[in-house]
Amino acid sequence: SAVISQKPSRDICQRGTSLTIQCQVDSQVTMMFWYRQQPGQSLTLIATANQGSEATYESGFVIDKFPISRPNLTFSTLTVSNMSPEDSSIYLCSAGGAGWGEQYFGPGTRLTVT
Amino acid sequence: DAKTTQPPSMDCAEGRAANLPCNHSTISGNEYVYWYRQIHSQGPQYIIHGLKNNETNEMASLIITEDRKSSTLILPHATLRDTAVYYCIVRVGEDDKIIFGKGTRLHILP
Repeated sequence: SAVISQKPSRDICQRGTSLTIQCQVDSQVTMMFWYRQQPGQSLTLIATANQGSEATYESGFVIDKFPISRPNLTFSTLTVSNMSPEDSSIYLCSAGGAGWGEQYFGPGTRLTVT
Repeated sequence: DAKTTQPPSMDCAEGRAANLPCNHSTISGNEYVYWYRQIHSQGPQYIIHGLKNNETNEMASLIITEDRKSSTLILPHATLRDTAVYYCIVRVGEDDKIIFGKGTRLHILP
């Protein structure tokens, strides 16, 4: 199994600013993913964070808005750029591909944009 | 889009078995059935997965029909802490991305 931590756990930001969310895994993993969960909704996959190459984005999400870094096998960041109130959500990362048979999720970052 | 269909909500009395159904009629031969749950204000938690045989672990049992077009997650003795949204997902394996559907909101009644 794995322990996944995210920082910050929550933040309140002004529109037009950017926030970088960090995701740390306590062991090396092949795959890391970023999700968004809007209030009362299910999780939506934003992108797959690829180590050593650009992230792979899902339909409706673009690199300019959600740049992702994956500098090594235990760490990734997601930046929410030029924020608007519609970006208020919980952002979660997950990790897998270490032979566990499943993916593990972080606790999420609750973002409020005013 | 999610490849599974689940009822939006279910109730179960505390102490009874909770049986959560899932339809996945377009599942491919190399796709597994995974179950996750999300307790309020937490990240999703893995429960169990299977390919075609029934599986059991300390949390639950997974029953997959012979044609693999549907499955049932069984929580044998539900407690109030099992109140959560349960997601049934089909995917090739642990490296594959997870596409969440709307899940089933399970209420455990005291």
